[in-house]
Amino acid sequence: ILNVEQSPQSLHVQEGDSTNFTCSFPSSNFYALHWYRWETAKSPEALFVMTLNGDEKKKGRISATLNTKEGYSYLYIKGSQPEDSATYLCAFIGGSGTYKYIFGTGTRLKVLA
Amino acid sequence: DADVTQTPRNRITKTGKRIMLECSQTKGHDRMYWYRQDPGLGLRLIYYSFDVKDINKGEISDGYSVSRQAQAKFSLSLESAIPNQTALYFCATSDFTSNEQFFGPGTRLTVL
Repeated sequence: ILNVEQSPQSLHVQEGDSTNFTCSFPSSNFYALHWYRWETAKSPEALFVMTLNGDEKKKGRISATLNTKEGYSYLYIKGSQPEDSATYLCAFIGGSGTYKYIFGTGTRLKVLA
Repeated sequence: DADVTQTPRNRITKTGKRIMLECSQTKGHDRMYWYRQDPGLGLRLIYYSFDVKDINKGEISDGYSVSRQAQAKFSLSLESAIPNQTALYFCATSDFTSNEQFFGPGTRLTVL
């Protein structure tokens, strides 16, 4: 069984705070790691597609890093704003022989004004 | 217009009924997927299809079947619905290079 774990499960921060969360995934048979942002009552939307060990991606105030050898990725949000409130999902793509696309359970972020 | 559409958006049905959820896409992607979302469990893959002639079981395929009628259409069927299939169902598409998923708006299914 392949486990993709995210921590923390939920997080409340004040507007202006910076924050980060973790996605842990199997370190073997890695193909890619995706991050998604999922706002309430909407559908998940991709933030980052990460494929190489040491990858760093950035989109505005949000950035992500990838360590495939130890099986983790960090998502950082600098200067959180209320509109950043959402659930952030990571998804592991890999597997030996058969295709695997496994989502973590997400980190629910609430930014308080 | 939305790139990935799902019908119906909401459905309430009774145990034992046959239900079909439909998904259409205009993104031109070959790959299509069906997921269900349950509170605390995240998104779980039910079935996926890499092209019209390809159908594969995902993590939780029992009790479900699918049909890929065309590149743009992928339907999910519950032959005999049961209450624990009450969930939010998402269709998604991707291209073969990045596998980045593009999701439909979701179908909320309630089985009484």
